[in-house]
Amino acid sequence: KAGVTQTPRYLIKTRGQQVTLSCSPISGHRSVSWYQQTPGQGLQFLFEYFSETQRNKGNFPGRFSGRQFSNSRSEMNVSTLELGDSALYLCASSFAGREAGYTFGSGTRLTVV
Amino acid sequence: GENVEQHPSTLSVQEGDSAVIKCTYSDSASNYFPWYKQELGKRPQLIIDIRSNVGEKKDQRIAVTLNKTAKHFSLHITETQPEDSAVYFCAAANSGGYQKVTFGIGTKLQVIP
Repeated sequence: KAGVTQTPRYLIKTRGQQVTLSCSPISGHRSVSWYQQTPGQGLQFLFEYFSETQRNKGNFPGRFSGRQFSNSRSEMNVSTLELGDSALYLCASSFAGREAGYTFGSGTRLTVV
Repeated sequence: GENVEQHPSTLSVQEGDSAVIKCTYSDSASNYFPWYKQELGKRPQLIIDIRSNVGEKKDQRIAVTLNKTAKHFSLHITETQPEDSAVYFCAAANSGGYQKVTFGIGTKLQVIP
């Protein structure tokens, strides 16, 4: 079966712009979590969605937001981009969240110039 | 919230030797501890996990141990091979509550042929 699909794979944006990233989970998975990965900072949790509801949120500013649709696909939006937002953004899906192991997507590499 | 500390941050071993990565967690309610391997340019992939009702789990050359009293868990890789070279992440989660999966900072393992 298809894995977790993230689009686009690469993105270059200018400071001040906004960006939307997309994640399609494995069929049947209802939980989607988003992480920011930067060198030296590991995997920083952004938020988790389950059945269209945000169930958990990390310590990121309000510029970072997300949503989940009825088909479990999720989008993440970052407004007013800053240079420090340059990172690999990973989404992970699981059947119910929290355990049973995440399956990660390949990520979206965002570069802010 | 949960805090996961992981060390060492880098580890070099000779091919055939063993490698050990250690993690500690802070939330006594955490009861699920997965480990992920991320090869260069690829997505993190679950390699093994352990639940709090088990003290040790093995899968071929990989083993995890958990000490709930001390709140630490470790990954052991025996007979290391060059293809084991990657970044390894430990994580902790509470499967009984709607809490995020918290990752350690990662350990870059280099296996020298």
